Amino acid sequence: GIQVEQSPPDLILQEGANSTLRCNFSDSVNNLQWFHQNPWGQLINLFYIPSGTKQNGRLSATTVATERYSLLYISSSQTTDSGVYFCAVELGRGSTLGRLYFGRGTQLTVWP
Amino acid sequence: SQTIHQWPATLVQPVGSPLSLECTVEGTSNPNLYWYRQAAGRGLQLLFYSVGIGQISSEVPQNLSASRPQDRQFILSSKKLLLSDSGFYLCAWSPGEYEQYFGPGTRLTVT
Repeated sequence: GIQVEQSPPDLILQEGANSTLRCNFSDSVNNLQWFHQNPWGQLINLFYIPSGTKQNGRLSATTVATERYSLLYISSSQTTDSGVYFCAVELGRGSTLGRLYFGRGTQLTVWP
Repeated sequence: SQTIHQWPATLVQPVGSPLSLECTVEGTSNPNLYWYRQAAGRGLQLLFYSVGIGQISSEVPQNLSASRPQDRQFILSSKKLLLSDSGFYLCAWSPGEYEQYFGPGTRLTVT
């Protein structure tokens, strides 16, 4: 199956710092999503970004499908940004019915 | 707008007991529905998916089963729980070939 690798696995920041999270995938993908899992376990949709660049406030994401990677940028981090960030992809061939394959996530901790 | 509900939120069950987790979606019709499990640690694993009533596909052979008795209802079941069934169970929906949206999850502890 497809491999989805996220880096770094853990990241500790001071409030106000910027960070970049990376997601590499081993095959062509139709779709790619970034999620934030809050301390209660809820998965929050951040970006649906199979290609290109999107921005939403302090967060932005870029996917370069031809090179099989995506980046999530967090600027001016806040303590509420803490949690686990997941990248998930859907295979780009066949009838995959929207099946998402998840990376193992990046655990972000932001200190005040 | 669409919303997705899961219950119960938490559950503690003894080994060998049955299980029934329910997921319902509001505000859409004929969604694709998914069950995922997140074990200790961080990875999410797809367990079952459904594209319509009575249509269930299993990703991983295991002690669990799923059913879709109504268009917007998805149920995860087990006849006899194992310790290894403990985890965080998440239901998700999608309108088709687009992004998935997740419910709040059920935290299951098998003792």
